[in-house]
Amino acid sequence: EDQVTQSPEALRLQEGESSSLNCSYTVSGLRGLFWYRQDPGKGPEFLFTLYSAGEEKEKERLKATLTKKESFLHITAPKPEDSATYLCAESNTGKLIFGQGTTLQVKP
Amino acid sequence: KAGVTQTPRYLIKTRGQQVTLSCSPISGHRSVSWYQQTPGQGLQFLFEYFSETQRNKGNFPGRFSGRQFSNSRSEMNVSTLELGDSALYLCASSPLGVTGELFFGEGSRLTVL
Repeated sequence: EDQVTQSPEALRLQEGESSSLNCSYTVSGLRGLFWYRQDPGKGPEFLFTLYSAGEEKEKERLKATLTKKESFLHITAPKPEDSATYLCAESNTGKLIFGQGTTLQVKP
Repeated sequence: KAGVTQTPRYLIKTRGQQVTLSCSPISGHRSVSWYQQTPGQGLQFLFEYFSETQRNKGNFPGRFSGRQFSNSRSEMNVSTLELGDSALYLCASSPLGVTGELFFGEGSRLTVL
């Protein structure tokens, strides 16, 4: 069965301290790798879709990259408003399979 | 542009009852998918409807069912509620399906006592 694993489960950063979140997947023939952001009490908000190894996408302080077995979400010089749970997911079989998420806290 | 609307936002039921949750997608979106979110299991795919047809289903028992109407609005139903069904139920809409960008509602939080 397809699996998506995210690490770390939780991450605490100081404002301005860059870091990366990891998402590894077991599926072969990936049809899409997605990143979402979820704030407490809200539904997830779409960030990126990546389709092939080597692909990169950027949005403000976030950059997502994709290899054959994992994806990284790089956060450069984070701000407190970047605090949220970041979820990755794949949709190889037509069912969207989510990882457990990484909860990021950025302290001022 | 109005977002995805889910009703009710909060509800409390007792074991054995049934519940119906509603989702109004963004205008023009033909795909509606449903998810269960719990602290232990995370976000899990329930099913997807596209133009009134169920396109895919997750690994949930038959007590979980859904439907989609001709105006793309969707409902999901859970019968014979169990304590473990307590969760945040999210729906998402998109123009094409789960292989593209999804727009999520804020969810319906179900508590089963």
